[in-house]
Amino acid sequence: DADVTQTPRNRITKTGKRIMLECSQTKGHDRMYWYRQDPGLGLRLIYYSFDVKDINKGEISDGYSVSRQAQAKFSLSLESAIPNQTALYFCATTGTENTGELFFGEGSRLTVL
Amino acid sequence: QKEVEQDPGPLSVPEGAIVSLNCTYSNSAFQYFMWYRQYSRKGPELLMYTYSSGNKEDGRFTAQVDKSSKYISLFIRDSQPSDSATYLCAMSAKKTSYDKVIFGPGTSLSVIP
Repeated sequence: DADVTQTPRNRITKTGKRIMLECSQTKGHDRMYWYRQDPGLGLRLIYYSFDVKDINKGEISDGYSVSRQAQAKFSLSLESAIPNQTALYFCATTGTENTGELFFGEGSRLTVL
Repeated sequence: QKEVEQDPGPLSVPEGAIVSLNCTYSNSAFQYFMWYRQYSRKGPELLMYTYSSGNKEDGRFTAQVDKSSKYISLFIRDSQPSDSATYLCAMSAKKTSYDKVIFGPGTSLSVIP
């Protein structure tokens, strides 16, 4: 089983719908992140959480919200999806090892029509 | 100007060639430099991690950092078809505050048998 699991892997929805992307991890890490990947723009940070009671905005948080339900679970919501939120979304975790390596899930591809 | 620039490619080379992948950046505060490899339909995985200027070698891979020129490189020797992937450079000013990791857009590499 993957250390970082994202659901759904693919989702097509319509403008104005509420969407939730879920992430769970078995690495025991406290720090979890949501990134968005678009062609030519790289990975951009949406939200991050250093523990269950800590939520922080990243560089592109507008239009998104998150919930840290437990150490292992971090969900991303689009309250009212719009077409420019069509992208590949990645959840990641990191521990406190020297490298601070990010461990990514396999991604959730979201299409908003 | 983007904080991190990377030629998106695509780059196509024959098997056995030496590959050079490069990134430039504008923020002189960056001290930690990383290369992630992303296979199609997968999340990125850490490939190389370096601190400050200098070289680091790991098997067929060599990472170079020139902070005076704000330029980093990844060299792949004896390239293999299994090296076909997108390579993302990433950098940060602090070791553990992954909220400030900035990713380049990635270079797509194909190694032709």
